[in-house]
Amino acid sequence: AQSVAQPEDQVNVAEGNPLTVKCTYSVSGNPYLFWYVQYPNRGLQFLLKYITGDNLVKGSYGFEAEFNKSQTSFHLKKPSALVSDSALYFCAVRGNTGGFKTIFGAGTRLFVKA
Amino acid sequence: DGGITQSPKYLFRKEGQNVTLSCEQNLNHDAMYWYRQDPGQGLRLIYYSQIVNDFQKGDIAEGYSVSREKKESFPLTVTSAQKNPTAFYLCASSISWTAAGEKLFFGSGTQLSVL
Repeated sequence: AQSVAQPEDQVNVAEGNPLTVKCTYSVSGNPYLFWYVQYPNRGLQFLLKYITGDNLVKGSYGFEAEFNKSQTSFHLKKPSALVSDSALYFCAVRGNTGGFKTIFGAGTRLFVKA
Repeated sequence: DGGITQSPKYLFRKEGQNVTLSCEQNLNHDAMYWYRQDPGQGLRLIYYSQIVNDFQKGDIAEGYSVSREKKESFPLTVTSAQKNPTAFYLCASSISWTAAGEKLFFGSGTQLSVL
């Protein structure tokens, strides 16, 4: 069965410092991996995805994510955090065998302090 | 602008009442989805529709019903059988069910509360 784990409920970082939001996954076959962001009382917005190819994926708003097959991880990163990055971040996985449901992690709240 | 429109933004349900949440998309997407969001639990799939006139149960379908009579519309009814309906409900769409590499597009959500 597919699953996604986001081990941290909250990540705190100072503005200007690098940030990492962690995600590990379990899926049969090759994974399709996504990061979404949610601002208060809003729907989710797509940030980036990994399908195949280069393990470092670049996305919106300066975010990037590193796919690591051996560690089954897909951590979200940004070199320099902004206060406006404060939001709820979701990692998601979609398999390509036996079903195409998108499974979401529980979410990690990012708080960037000025 | 293309996108997904959910209404209402806030909805209150009385005991024993059925309520319907609206979801409309103008993206010409075949697949549509309903998710429930509870604090600390992420998103859980209620129902999905691969194509018009078709829909399947997701992981937490009990107490909910849907229809897909038009490609652009996928309303969700929360029935009186759903004993804990208070949550944030999100509608989403994608180009197709089998296009696994395609992202989901989300509406702005409906907050349902019980009076």
